Amino acid sequence: QVQLVQSGAEVKKPGASVKVSCKASGYTFTSYYMHWVRQAPGQGLEWMGIINPSGGSTSYAQKFQGRVTMTRDTSTSTVYMELSSLRSEDTAVYYCARDRVRIAVAGTGIVYWGQGTLVTVSS
Amino acid sequence: EIVLTQSPATLSLSPGERATLSCRASQSVSSYLAWYQQKPGQAPRLLIYDASNRATGIPARFSGSGSGTDFTLTISSLEPEDFAVYYCQQRSNWSFGQGTRLEIK
Repeated sequence: QVQLVQSGAEVKKPGASVKVSCKASGYTFTSYYMHWVRQAPGQGLEWMGIINPSGGSTSYAQKFQGRVTMTRDTSTSTVYMELSSLRSEDTAVYYCARDRVRIAVAGTGIVYWGQGTLVTVSS
Repeated sequence: EIVLTQSPATLSLSPGERATLSCRASQSVSSYLAWYQQKPGQAPRLLIYDASNRATGIPARFSGSGSGTDFTLTISSLEPEDFAVYYCQQRSNWSFGQGTRLEIK
């Protein structure tokens, strides 16, 4: 079965960086896009970006351009999301989530979600 | 950049009633729209993909319709477990709508 297991909660100071990992299993890692989505306390879902685990190409939401970096390690089937210059507004649960369809196939929907990683930014 | 606007922000209904949730896109997204349900403390769950297709395991009381810029999620007869927050998402830039909270009246 498909599983996405994320790293544990983090507490960071303003201005620092955080790197969250997401280890995938139960499917061919390089065949499906992986998204990162965050949710601030009491707020809605916010899409941050997407990575193609096959070639490593990425696309980021305009809001996060220049501050977020998504990478992958195919040897361990793990994707990473690093967010820099943290501020209090970045306090949120960060999810990795696998696309429903194979890369290069048209279609919508995110089917599998990690358990979420709480990142708290506080001085 | 495509923006999704959901309405209403909050919908108050009773079990057994019909719920109609709307999602409007600022420009056409064809049929590339998905709907999710989220309960407190849980990750979102995919309900509908490509505007009108139920995801695996989703009850038949959930249905999606629309194309272009106007989409609807309908729950034909509300069950107690359906009270949650619902989001739409499009594929062009993967943004989400702001959500509709479905609460018990």
